Parts: sequence; C-alpha cells; structure tokens
Amino acid sequence: GDSVTQMEGPVTLSEEAFLTINCTYTATGYPSLFWYVQYPGEGLQLLLKATKADDKGSNKGFEATYRKETTSFHLEKGSVQVSDSAVYFCALSAGSGAGSYQLTFGKGTKLSVIP
Amino acid sequence: ETGVTQTPRHLVMGMTNKKSLKCEQHLGHNAMYWYKQSAKKPLELMFVYSLEERVENNSVPSRFSPECPNSSHLFLHLHTLQPEDSALYLCASSQGAMDTDTQYFGPGTRLTVL
Repeated sequence: GDSVTQMEGPVTLSEEAFLTINCTYTATGYPSLFWYVQYPGEGLQLLLKATKADDKGSNKGFEATYRKETTSFHLEKGSVQVSDSAVYFCALSAGSGAGSYQLTFGKGTKLSVIP
Repeated sequence: ETGVTQTPRHLVMGMTNKKSLKCEQHLGHNAMYWYKQSAKKPLELMFVYSLEERVENNSVPSRFSPECPNSSHLFLHLHTLQPEDSALYLCASSQGAMDTDTQYFGPGTRLTVL
C-alpha cells in the first residue's frame, strides 16, 4: 500500500537557520503530495501541495519540489522564525479515481525554533 | 464562525459513558471526514462522507458511530470506549472527495477515556 516516511524529530534550530525536513513516499500511480502544519493546540493546516512531477509548491517562505525520480517531497525554508515552531506532516493522496481523497500521512516532524 | 469548528475541544469520559463529538463546516463543502491522531502514529482516516453518504469506513470498531445529517454537520457518537481510544479526533472537509480537493481541518477534540 501507499506510505509516507518523514524524518523523525524533534528538530531544534536557531532563528534564521536553514530548514530541511525530508519526506519520501511509496505509491502506485501518480499521487498528489502535501505538506500540512499543526501549530500547538490547533488542527492541521495545508502549507503547500504539488500535483505532478517537477511541480514546486510554495507558501510562507516554505518550498517543496515533487521529485518522481527519487520519490521525494522535501520541505525547505531558507530562514526559520520562532513562529514556525510546529509539527509538520507530509502526506499523499492516491492519484485519481475512486478513493483518491484518501490522504496517507507521515508520522510528523516536530520543529522547535529558538531565538 | 469560519472554517471548520469542533466541539467539545476536550472530553473526558468513562468506559461506560455515551458521548458525541460535533463538527461543523462553514465552507460550503460536500465532503467531510473523521481522523484519529494518536501519539507516535500517523493520522488514521476513520470515516468519509460525500454528499451526506458514507463512502469510507476504514475498519473502525462499532463503538464509533458516525452521523452526517447534512453537508455542514458531522457527528461521531461514542459508546463503551477503551482507554486506547484516547486520542485527538480531527474533523476535516473538502469541496469534493477527490485528490485535488484540499482538506481543511478543524482544531480537534482531545478525548481521554478513563
């Protein structure tokens, strides 16, 4: 079945450091890929998404590129802020057709940014 | 209210109690979802409703019973739960039930079963 593997946390960075959170996936067909973020005490929010190979999703300074050849969707940000402290989830949806709404999530990576 | 709201935000119940979780979406969406978020485990999809009809039931125990009376409201009725059912229960909605439809999540209900 489909699966998502993301780096285990927690990740602790100083403000303005460069962030990379690795995500790789296994899927049949052509999934869409997502990064969700969960701030303390809140639900998940969509951060960015990419629906086909070589697409780059971006939002709030975060970027991720859909790499079909390496089955990866790594999240990056050039300069993190304290307000970026949250749990980040990589997810995929199972391509098109019946059941394509089904999101498969990774376990999440907790990021803490210290001043 | 905007987005997806859930009540209550926190719930403590005994194993013999009956309680219900409520979700309401104010986005005009047609699909709604229940997820379970347990510590150290990936989010698990429990139920999916599209146009008020259940389209997914991921082998969830019968002590969890969903209800979708209209496209804006979704309930999860709970009875005779076990301590391992303690988790964060998240509701989500999307315009349709396709992979290109972004799912919008509520803040969740933190459930503790004693």
